[in-house]
Amino acid sequence: DAGITQSPRHKVTETGTPVTLRCHQTENHRYMYWYRQDPGHGLRLIHYSYGVKDTDKGEVSDGYSVSRSKTEDFLLTLESATSSQTSVYFCAISISGGAGEQFFGPGTRLTVL
Amino acid sequence: AQSVTQLGSHVSVSEGALVLLRCNYSSSVPPYLFWYVQYPNQGLQLLLKYTTGATLVKGINGFEAEFKKSETSFHLTKPSAHMSDAAEYFCAVTPNNAGNMLTFGGGTRLMVKP
Repeated sequence: DAGITQSPRHKVTETGTPVTLRCHQTENHRYMYWYRQDPGHGLRLIHYSYGVKDTDKGEVSDGYSVSRSKTEDFLLTLESATSSQTSVYFCAISISGGAGEQFFGPGTRLTVL
Repeated sequence: AQSVTQLGSHVSVSEGALVLLRCNYSSSVPPYLFWYVQYPNQGLQLLLKYTTGATLVKGINGFEAEFKKSETSFHLTKPSAHMSDAAEYFCAVTPNNAGNMLTFGGGTRLMVKP
């Protein structure tokens, strides 16, 4: 158990509204990641962070922003949600000096109507 | 850049039969390779990983995978399927100098028939 929680676990929202998802870790790992999971696509990286205030874009970053003001929290924001952002969102951490394996949170199911 | 291909988005086996889930990768540098399992409504759990050394790696729940550099493959096997193995399985790769950036395959859903 890597001590990762995500909130909320489920959310239904309407097109055009802002949405923020939170990832919280208890073990002060440096690297944190946000993925979305869609059928047939596996997991695709949205954004990642390599430290407080240090973030970078992943493969599918359009329409998303992130912030990391504390080591333990990594926030994903959809500024104006669209139906194409209906997905399951996973947060992950990796351990510095490890082989690259990542440990995942339980996920947030987001539905944009 | 690296990529991962999992052949077969759905695989069905009978309980007690061999499980074989296929993964091929491309990577410009020697890779680290991973298999993850996802049970319904849960996050991903690491099954096993290959970094260096022995090319046959053993994981949890009786699964194992063999790294074959010449075939750029990392297939996952289990000699005898259990009903509890029904889940989605993901193969992932990272270059061994990439600072933990994983690329995932599209996933294979394993169904186990009684």
